[in-house]
Amino acid sequence: DAKTTQPNSMESNEEEPVHLPCNHSTISGTDYIHWYRQLPSQGPEYVIHGLTSNVNNRMASLAIAEDRKSSTLILHRATLRDAAVYYCILRDVNTGGFKTIFGAGTRLFVKA
Amino acid sequence: DAGVIQSPRHEVTEMGQEVTLRCKPISGHNSLFWYRQTMMRGLELLIYFNNNVPIDDSGMPEDRFSAKMPNASFSTLKIQPSEPRDSAVYFCASSPRTSGVGAADTQYFGPGTRLTVL
Repeated sequence: DAKTTQPNSMESNEEEPVHLPCNHSTISGTDYIHWYRQLPSQGPEYVIHGLTSNVNNRMASLAIAEDRKSSTLILHRATLRDAAVYYCILRDVNTGGFKTIFGAGTRLFVKA
Repeated sequence: DAGVIQSPRHEVTEMGQEVTLRCKPISGHNSLFWYRQTMMRGLELLIYFNNNVPIDDSGMPEDRFSAKMPNASFSTLKIQPSEPRDSAVYFCASSPRTSGVGAADTQYFGPGTRLTVL
């Protein structure tokens, strides 16, 4: 299974953009890149996913490097509610996409 | 939508007792996942089902753990006998098959069951 590497923690100011990096240098052509986040005392929640092209939704944007060996989750204006652990995950089409391996994630601190 | 429902939300039991955790997936979802989260090991996938059939249980730590999905709206995770090292938060998640490609489907997590084994 391809592995992801994320910084342990990051800090941001409220109302400013946040760029959360993820390295996945061993990614295969059939791996989808997913991001989930876990707010304190809650289950993980889906944020965004992509395969090759950059993606936008109401929560965030996902920028995928041209060689797909890294990606960046972008929160355009951080709020206090965005303080959470963010997980970058790869899911392989060849295994039906069922297998989901969470790493340690990045703990995002947001300062008022 | 009610979301994924898990019960109980908290369970305290003594070593050696049987523990049963319950999960009701979102209606219409055809995949179900059981995860365990601890400070030491993070989030671990224990088992997943597709259309009520167990697909991969390689994450189940020991024979003391078993999971069933008798129908599309109910699943259980049983630990017998329980041990203190089983103390963790157990999450259930469900997923629809919307994209035709399982790797693109979104998982919806329940609130978790916090298990404490004394």
